[in-house]
Amino acid sequence: EVQLLESGGGLVQPGGSLRLSCAASGFTFSNYAMSWVRQAPGKGLEWVSDISGSGGIIYYADSVKGRFTTSRDSSKSTLYLQMDSLRAGDTAVYYCAKGRAAVGSWFGPWGLGTLVTVSS
Amino acid sequence: EIVMTQSPATLSVSPGERATLSCRASQSVGSNLAWYQQKPGQAPRLLIYGASTRATGIPARFSGSGSGTEFTLTISSLQSEDFAVYYCQQYNNWPLTFGGGTKVEIK
Repeated sequence: EVQLLESGGGLVQPGGSLRLSCAASGFTFSNYAMSWVRQAPGKGLEWVSDISGSGGIIYYADSVKGRFTTSRDSSKSTLYLQMDSLRAGDTAVYYCAKGRAAVGSWFGPWGLGTLVTVSS
Repeated sequence: EIVMTQSPATLSVSPGERATLSCRASQSVGSNLAWYQQKPGQAPRLLIYGASTRATGIPARFSGSGSGTEFTLTISSLQSEDFAVYYCQQYNNWPLTFGGGTKVEIK
């Protein structure tokens, strides 16, 4: 059974940094693209980033480009999201999701999410 | 950016009735369209991908149709556990984009 577990969320001041992790199990991690999707409180879903199975191809939403960095460690079956220069508008639940072999696909399954709150 | 528009925003349906949800893309996405269900306090769950293929474990009462710019999610006979918010998502072009969601509520 595929399991994804995010961690690393919390309260951070504007301009601060945070690193999220997503521990994966139940599948061959390096064979699949992975994604980050976020959801602001009471709002809809917003795609954040995709990374290929090898880590060599990465895409970002314009809203986070230049501030967020996605990476992965296949030896640990873990996906990361380094978030810098955080803004109030980045406040959201951040989900990791498994994709298919190539980047740019549907998302499923999803982790439970981790809440990031950017506030002074 | 491809804009995904879902309608209606809220759909009031009685248990056992049929629900039809619409999703429109601002330009063609072929069949690269997925549907998700999200219940309060939970992560989204993949229902449909490729516009019409049910994901693993999804009941047959959920069906997807359409291609190009017009898509439909049909729930043939609503069960109590189906009352939730439903999102469509295109994966034909970057950035990947979601619709604003349709809330299916009990009538």
